[in-house]
Amino acid sequence: GQNIDQPTEMTATEGAIVQINCTYQTSGFNGLFWYQQHAGEAPTFLSYNVLDGLEEKGRFSSFLSRSKGYSYLLLKELQMKDSASYLCAVGDSNYQLIWGAGTKLIIKP
Amino acid sequence: IAGITQAPTSQILAAGRRMTLRCTQDMRHNAMYWYRQDLGLGLRLIHYSNTAGTTGKGEVPDGYSVSRANTDDFPLTLASAVPSQTSVYFCASSLDNSGANVLTFGAGSRLTVL
Repeated sequence: GQNIDQPTEMTATEGAIVQINCTYQTSGFNGLFWYQQHAGEAPTFLSYNVLDGLEEKGRFSSFLSRSKGYSYLLLKELQMKDSASYLCAVGDSNYQLIWGAGTKLIIKP
Repeated sequence: IAGITQAPTSQILAAGRRMTLRCTQDMRHNAMYWYRQDLGLGLRLIHYSNTAGTTGKGEVPDGYSVSRANTDDFPLTLASAVPSQTSVYFCASSLDNSGANVLTFGAGSRLTVL
């Protein structure tokens, strides 16, 4: 079957760095996405990886290793507004997205 | 403002009633999707449409139907609601259904079936 695993919840301190991991097993691979979802709101796109390596976008970076079925989202210089759920999703062989349950990130002052 | 509009924002519904969730986008996106989001589970695809006039079944289609008469509108209908359909429903769209298809989501419709 198809499966996306990510931690349920993480806690970090304002100003610090946090890494959110995602492992996947899917039928085919057509890219890996990270979305941010604040409580009670819609998910919004953060990053897309289709080739191995690191993609950097400001304070956020995303890494992909296709051979290991693994990705992480790295958030630097954490701010209180980064408190949200982070969703990992993988495009399968039919280009449909398979979603993880999300990681709730709690930022403490 | 370009985006996706969903209605209603929230609704409480008696079991057995028929309900249609509305979704309209003004970005001229070809592909549209309906997801449900439940606590502890990832977003699950209910139905999708790759282009106007076509629809397809997702992971959890039973009890739901959709239509795509034009590019902009993609309503989701629950013919006879059951309590297990209590959820938050998100409509989304993307330019197409290729690999790098970034989804834009509506604000969601919270549905409670009693």
